[in-house]
Amino acid sequence: GQQVMQIPQYQHVQEGEDFTTYCNSSTTLSNIQWYKQRPGGHPVFLIQLVKSGEVKKQKRLTFQFGEAKKNSSLHITATQTTDVGTYFCRAPIQGAQKLVFGQGTRLTINP
Amino acid sequence: GAVVSQHPSRVICKSGTSVKIECRSLDFQATTMFWYRQFPKQSLMLMATSNEGSKATYEQGVEKDKFLINHASLTLSTLTVTSAHPEDSSFYICSARGGGWAGELFFGEGSRLTVL
Repeated sequence: GQQVMQIPQYQHVQEGEDFTTYCNSSTTLSNIQWYKQRPGGHPVFLIQLVKSGEVKKQKRLTFQFGEAKKNSSLHITATQTTDVGTYFCRAPIQGAQKLVFGQGTRLTINP
Repeated sequence: GAVVSQHPSRVICKSGTSVKIECRSLDFQATTMFWYRQFPKQSLMLMATSNEGSKATYEQGVEKDKFLINHASLTLSTLTVTSAHPEDSSFYICSARGGGWAGELFFGEGSRLTVL
């Protein structure tokens, strides 16, 4: 069945380096959401993308929705230790009023 | 943003006992709440959708008799893990929708259940 694939599963960077996580779907998505979960914490909503080719920025975070609305990315510029956590995308399953989470990308940072 | 409170944050119980977890929407009414289960370093798996005033909708593979969900009011949903076993040990998180079926989710703090 349709699912949202998120890569990479893990990413370790030096503080100051950039980081990107990707979510891909085999079918067109009506929208996609991004969440951040700090270690030991609960997921927190970051943003929702709806339009084809949409790009949104939140300080050092840049969110993109592909032109075909089948993929999305979250890019962090110049990571800081506060960026540590797992980043999840969440998107609708085709034909069902239900959204599923991607597998998540766990970001760790070497200070 | 909206606030969802979950209690208890941690619970340790003996095998065979039942544990109740509460999820409250503090500043908004949530006709629908969602219960997730998360194993270490894994994604969130939807267990069930809790609807106020009606029966919960369970995902495939989730035992409805083991994970009892009650959504008696617009601000409270409860998850009861009945006859808990060590394999039920996990992080359980509730969430409520901000608006519309595809709206953003507001999560509770989560409840870490350890069954001895």
